Amino acid sequence: KQEVTQIPAALSVPEGENLVLNCSFTDSAIYNLQWFRQDPGKGLTSLLLIQSSQREQTSGRLNASLDKSSGRSTLYIAASQPGDSATYLCAVADSWGKLQFGAGTQVVVTP
Amino acid sequence: EAQVTQNPRYLITVTGKKLTVTCSQNMNHEYMSWYRQDPGLGLRQIYYSMNVEVTDKGDVPEGYKVSRKEKRNFPLILESPSPNQTSLYFCASSLIQGLETQYFGPGTRLLVL
Repeated sequence: KQEVTQIPAALSVPEGENLVLNCSFTDSAIYNLQWFRQDPGKGLTSLLLIQSSQREQTSGRLNASLDKSSGRSTLYIAASQPGDSATYLCAVADSWGKLQFGAGTQVVVTP
Repeated sequence: EAQVTQNPRYLITVTGKKLTVTCSQNMNHEYMSWYRQDPGLGLRQIYYSMNVEVTDKGDVPEGYKVSRKEKRNFPLILESPSPNQTSLYFCASSLIQGLETQYFGPGTRLLVL
């Protein structure tokens, strides 16, 4: 059974610092990996999707890497801003489209 | 605007009173699914549908029903709600299963007394 782990569970950084969020998964037979952002009481917003054949994806200040063989993904957020404060979730998709989520990393960026 | 909508957003009900949470997407997506989010347990899939009239169980289907009569709609039915179904529910959709970005609705917060 696929297990997805996110470390750390919580992170607090001063504005301007780079953020590094980690995600690991136990079964490398994935179709893709998605990073989501969740604001308190709100839905999930997709940030980046990395197909299993890709090594990384970039969007603006966000960069996500994927090492399928070692079961790891890392989300980098450059030059963090207070508006980046949220919970970040990673999820791996199987061939049926089911997403297995990690528990999330709660990020606070202080001004 | 491309979106997934859910109704109602908040619901308080009593044990045993049947309820339906609606989900609709306007992106012509084939794949739709329901998740519930609970503290300490994260997000878990309840049911999914790969196309009209094709549905299957996720990880936690007990106590729930779904139907997919039209491509855009995927309602979640609780025939006899119980307090352990108190949760935050999310509907999601994607163009096809597995390979595409999944888009989530805003969530429905359900309290069963």
